[in-house]
Amino acid sequence: GEQVEQLPSILRVQEGSSASINCTYENSASNYFPWYKQEPGENPKLIIDIRSNMERKQTQGLIVLLDKKAKRFSLHITDTQPGDSAMYFCAASAGGRALIFGTGTTVSVSP
Amino acid sequence: NAGVIQTPRHKVTGKGQEATLWCEPISGHSAVFWYRQTIVQGLEFLTYFRNQAPIDDSGMPKERFSAQMPNQSHSTLKIQSTQPQDSAVYLCASSHWGLSYEQYFGPGTRLTVL
Repeated sequence: GEQVEQLPSILRVQEGSSASINCTYENSASNYFPWYKQEPGENPKLIIDIRSNMERKQTQGLIVLLDKKAKRFSLHITDTQPGDSAMYFCAASAGGRALIFGTGTTVSVSP
Repeated sequence: NAGVIQTPRHKVTGKGQEATLWCEPISGHSAVFWYRQTIVQGLEFLTYFRNQAPIDDSGMPKERFSAQMPNQSHSTLKIQSTQPQDSAVYLCASSHWGLSYEQYFGPGTRLTVL
């Protein structure tokens, strides 16, 4: 199995609150899990990633958690701002090979 | 660093015509990936090269689609006899394989088949 499931598909939050997106993967060989942010008309931009030798990574208001046993990883956006409104994609790959993407989450942050 | 360069940014073809899409990876990056993005199918992997050699084309439609990487500075994706269902944004990404797994995307080519 190569699928990556991503939920929710739509997430509406108030400015200043947190937003969480969850993904699960099937391929046990997956060891790299990036997150991409895509704004309308733009290309996906890498915002944070985590490798399988870590359980948690944090950078600039973003937290990624990885649970290898459950084959689950998640993105948490803390203190959301209107500029965080975008489509977010999770992905998984084995050893730097092809990225298998989730179906995307539209995040909308309202003032 | 100019990032990944893709040309053209937009291409309109008639059904049955050929389309060739170009990608220039980030200088020094040894892996080039092609993906396709549509509303219905999302982001799909097509094929990738490492050090110019084709490694995995499991996502490529077997008919009409082909990809090449004749040198380290560019790759092409060719679609023969284009069909309306080929309409999509074709995205190229590159990575410094061996040093990092990070893939950086180009701006994409929006292909519209009439």
